[in-house]
Amino acid sequence: SQTIHQWPATLVQPVGSPLSLECTVEGTSNPNLYWYRQAAGRGLQLLFYSVGIGQISSEVPQNLSASRPQDRQFILSSKKLLLSDSGFYLCAWSKMAGDTQYFGPGTRLTVL
Amino acid sequence: SQQGEEDPQALSIQEGENATMNCSYKTSINNLQWYRQNSGRGLVHLILIRSNEREKHSGRLRVTLDTSKKSSSLLITASRAADTASYFCATDANDYKLSFGAGTTVTVRA
Repeated sequence: SQTIHQWPATLVQPVGSPLSLECTVEGTSNPNLYWYRQAAGRGLQLLFYSVGIGQISSEVPQNLSASRPQDRQFILSSKKLLLSDSGFYLCAWSKMAGDTQYFGPGTRLTVL
Repeated sequence: SQQGEEDPQALSIQEGENATMNCSYKTSINNLQWYRQNSGRGLVHLILIRSNEREKHSGRLRVTLDTSKKSSSLLITASRAADTASYFCATDANDYKLSFGAGTTVTVRA
C-alpha cells in the first residue's frame, strides 16, 4: 500500500531564516506531487505541483521554491522566511492529474 | 484560485441528525471530489463523482452532482461525534490540479 510522509510535524523559525520541508511517497512510482498551504480556518492554496523528476510548476509567485530530486521526493524551500509564510503545509500525491489526492499529515510552520 | 465554494461555512447539528453541505463551481469539470479534514490533520478523500454521474453513495455519505447548475451536495446521514471535521469540495477542470473550496466546518453535538 502507498504511504506519504512529511517532516517535520511542527517548526518554529525566525524571520529571515531558511526553510526545508520534505515529503516522500512510498509504494508507487511516478506520482504527481503537490504542495499546498492552508491558513488558519481557510481552504487550500496550491503552491507547486510536479508531474515528474525535475518538473515543477509554480502556482503562486513568492519566496518559496520546490524541487523534486527523486521520483518520490518533493522538497519545499525558502532562502529567507517571511511572517506571511506561517501556515499549515500539506504535501499530496496522485496517480494522475485530476485523480484522488492522498495527503500527508502536514507541517505546522510558525515564523516569528 | 478557488473554483469550488462550500455553503454553509459552518454547521452545528445534534448527533443522529443529517448534515447537508453544498458546493458550487464556475467552470466545466471532469470530476468533483469531497474531502474531510480533522483539526490539525491532513485531508482524507471521501468520494469522487464524475461529470457524467448524478449521484453516488459511500456508507453514510451521499453525493449529488448537477452539472447544469454547477453544484454538488454532500449529505452525511445519522451523524456521529466522529463526523466533526471540515469538509472540502475539490474540482478537476482538466488542468493538472484540483481546486479546493474554503470548506464547511461541521460540529456534531452529543
